[in-house]
Amino acid sequence: GAGVSQSPSNKVTEKGKDVELRCDPISGHTALYWYRQRLGQGLEFLIYFQGNSAPDKSGLPSDRFSAERTGESVSTLTIQRTQQEDSAVYLCASRPSVATQYFGPGTRLLVL
Amino acid sequence: SQQGEEDPQALSIQEGENATMNCSYKTSINNLQWYRQNSGRGLVHLILIRSNEREKHSGRLRVTLDTSKKSSSLLITASRAADTASYFCATDLGSTLGRLYFGRGTQLTVWP
Repeated sequence: GAGVSQSPSNKVTEKGKDVELRCDPISGHTALYWYRQRLGQGLEFLIYFQGNSAPDKSGLPSDRFSAERTGESVSTLTIQRTQQEDSAVYLCASRPSVATQYFGPGTRLLVL
Repeated sequence: SQQGEEDPQALSIQEGENATMNCSYKTSINNLQWYRQNSGRGLVHLILIRSNEREKHSGRLRVTLDTSKKSSSLLITASRAADTASYFCATDLGSTLGRLYFGRGTQLTVWP
C-alpha cells in the first residue's frame, strides 16, 4: 500500500518568503507528526496531531511556524518569513494505534 | 531536546564484521525503537523493544534493552555495504501520547 508522501521533495526559497510543506499520511493513521532535521543532526520534534484532539505544538521553534491538519487526512506545515536557519529536511510521520511511526521521504528546504 | 543519545557518533567497519551501536536515555520508557535513515531522507523502522523485554531479534538485527542502566544496543551481524546508513534510537519517555524522542544517531559506514 501507499506510504507517507510529502511534497515538494525539494524547495529553494529566498529569505523572508513563506513556504508551505505538505504531508499525506497513510490512510487510517490517526496520529501525524512533523520533525525537522538539520544537517548531521537528529530529529527535532515540531508538532503532533492525534485525531480531533488539540495538537501538541510544544516543539514549534517560533510563531513563524504553524501546521494544520483536517481530520485524519493531509497536513500542511507553514513557515512564514523564512530565515536561513530554517534550512533543513522536514519529515512527516504517521502512526496507527501502535507505537511505530512511518516516515515520509521528507522535504529538503533551502533558504537562500 | 533530544533524550536518546547514540554511541558512537560514527562507526566504520568492513563487510562481514558486526556493528554494535548503543543508545542511552534518561527517564523511564514504555518502549524503545531503532530506525534507519539513508541519505538524510525518511526514516525506516527497524525494531521495537518493550520495557519488559530484554532482547529481540529480527533477521541480522539484535536489540537488547537494559532498563536498569537505561540503555539499549543494536547489533548488526555480518554487515553489508548496503547497511551503510544513520541509525537512530527513539524513546517514548513513558508517555502514552505517541511522541518519540530521537537521538543524534550513529553514522555507520560498511566498506566492501
